[in-house]
Amino acid sequence: QKEVEQNSGPLSVPEGAIASLNCTYSDRVSQSFFWYRQYSGKSPELIMSIYSNGDKEDGRFTAQLNKASQYVSLLIRDSQPSDSATYLCAVGGYGGSQGNLIFGKGTKLSVKP
Amino acid sequence: DGGITQSPKYLFRKEGQNVTLSCEQNLNHDAMYWYRQDPGQGLRLIYYSQIVNDFQKGDIAEGYSVSREKKESFPLTVTSAQKNPTAFYLCATTLTSGTDTQYFGPGTRLTVL
Repeated sequence: QKEVEQNSGPLSVPEGAIASLNCTYSDRVSQSFFWYRQYSGKSPELIMSIYSNGDKEDGRFTAQLNKASQYVSLLIRDSQPSDSATYLCAVGGYGGSQGNLIFGKGTKLSVKP
Repeated sequence: DGGITQSPKYLFRKEGQNVTLSCEQNLNHDAMYWYRQDPGQGLRLIYYSQIVNDFQKGDIAEGYSVSREKKESFPLTVTSAQKNPTAFYLCATTLTSGTDTQYFGPGTRLTVL
């Protein structure tokens, strides 16, 4: 059974701080990793994708991947109240099911002004 | 205006009724997916289609049916056999069946009266 685990939170950080969101996955053959942001009542929107070990930066967001530890994280620098949302981690690239993703249950982030 | 559209935004169903949720895309993406999201839960895959006239069951297909007669359309029918259909339903697409970056439509919220 392929699993993606996230701390459900809520994770509360003050405005301007760094928010750190973590995700672990069970299947070592996973090849692709995604972070989605979902505002309450809305659909998920893609923030970042990462495929190789190390860091990938996009503006205030940095995704970090460690395949040996089966761990992927998302850092949000200079957190803003508008970053308050649920962040979904998704894992894919399983052989024989290309295109299919396994989603974690999400971590709720609250950024306090 | 490119993208994925889902209709209706809100849908109310009486016990014993079948209802059909629409998902249309003009992105020319090959693959389409249906997910169900319950409060505090991750996304669970219902059905997916990698090519026209072909579709596969996901993890929770019982009580649901789909068709893929056109590339741009992937409607989902929630039948009376689905005992607990109240949920947020999300349609997603990927460019090809071999790519796994999924893009989501705005969703349909179904409530059983």
